[in-house]
Amino acid sequence: GENVEQHPSTLSVQEGDSAVIKCTYSDSASNYFPWYKQELGKRPQLIIDIRSNVGEKKDQRIAVTLNKTAKHFSLHITETQPEDSAVYFCAASKSRDNDMRFGAGTRLTVKP
Amino acid sequence: EPEVTQTPSHQVTQMGQEVILRCVPISNHLYFYWYRQILGQKVEFLVSFYNNEISEKSEIFDDQFSVERPDGSNFTLKIRSTKLEDSAMYFCASARDPGGEKLFFGSGTQLSVL
Repeated sequence: GENVEQHPSTLSVQEGDSAVIKCTYSDSASNYFPWYKQELGKRPQLIIDIRSNVGEKKDQRIAVTLNKTAKHFSLHITETQPEDSAVYFCAASKSRDNDMRFGAGTRLTVKP
Repeated sequence: EPEVTQTPSHQVTQMGQEVILRCVPISNHLYFYWYRQILGQKVEFLVSFYNNEISEKSEIFDDQFSVERPDGSNFTLKIRSTKLEDSAMYFCASARDPGGEKLFFGSGTQLSVL
């Protein structure tokens, strides 16, 4: 099955700085790449996703980039705020399969 | 906004006992999933379900696990004989489209096996 690697495992930034989280995937047939945010004790929630026919997608302070050739994708958060502090998970799946696999997560801390 | 609901929120059981975790997916969703998350670790795929049958399952989902959609609304995960290492948060999720697109998670059931 798909193997998703995520780095770094922890990331600490000052409020207002940017944060970048990177993931790689193993299965070149994967074509859907979501990012989830999980606050302490809560459920994962989808924050942004990208399909393989698109190289970049942006939603306000959040953007995701995809490099299909290198099989990696990244989450970019600009102008970070303390409420961005959470664990972020990347994931990858193929639209014909139903076994979306998650990365190990990145604990982001935004210091005020 | 529609939600995936899970019951119970916490379940404590003795090793070797059977547990059933219950989920009500979002009503117009067709694809259903169970994931688990051991404290502080990654979200691990267990199984997906579509059209009243399992569509994918992971290496974790062995013969001790089963899923069922007993009626038009509930989706259950049964662990036949619980082990200590089954202690985790179990998340149900559902989606309208295949491939895990726009997956909505429930709030989870924290299972503690003593």
